[in-house]
Amino acid sequence: IVLTQSPGTLSLSPGERATLSCRASQSVRSNYLAWYQQRPGQTPRLLIYAASSRATGIPDRFSGSGSGTDFALTISRLEPEDFAVYYCQQYGGPPWTFGQGTKVEIK
Amino acid sequence: EVQLLESGGGLVEPGGSLRLSCAASGFSFDIYDMNWVRQAPGKGLEWVSAIDYSGGNTYYADSVRGRFTISRDNPRNTLFLQMDSLRAEDTAIYYCAKKAVTVIGNYFDSWGRGTLVTVSS
Repeated sequence: IVLTQSPGTLSLSPGERATLSCRASQSVRSNYLAWYQQRPGQTPRLLIYAASSRATGIPDRFSGSGSGTDFALTISRLEPEDFAVYYCQQYGGPPWTFGQGTKVEIK
Repeated sequence: EVQLLESGGGLVEPGGSLRLSCAASGFSFDIYDMNWVRQAPGKGLEWVSAIDYSGGNTYYADSVRGRFTISRDNPRNTLFLQMDSLRAEDTAIYYCAKKAVTVIGNYFDSWGRGTLVTVSS
């Protein structure tokens, strides 16, 4: 399954709402979709699994939605530490695949 | 606290071999599937290989199948990746990643800091 994320870069200000898209080339089995955050120089961090379940310790400003082939990650109010690259990953595989990433940058 | 510590990266010529290791601690290593995920410089994440908790089942991305071999030593809490016939496009940081759950669903809740593999003459 090929995952296509859009946009490639999102330029926003702190406090604004961010909506990131992840589209799959075929339906993702049982909505087995996860989202990760990678800050510069850091390792990826699990945010969301099963399309909409927040991982342990993830603030509630992060939410996931979608099903089938169309998924989204929403950050309700951007905090300074949220400016990072975000990846979606489907785990209905094998193989397990990632999207190419969306960079959320400060406007 | 889960800790994953990769080692074994370095500079190797095209066609050469390297063996990566990942030392795990802070969790019951022998009940979790494990993975290798790589990231080329300035690029995105690419899943490379997975192994189930017992070592009995292994999985590979098409890009490395036949060249890379994943294995594990449960008594030593260590994951390995044997990389042969290396190519320039294998240049990347290689992360060891732990599957988040013991049931179905290969997503990753813990990552090591990675080890850099550079394939160049």
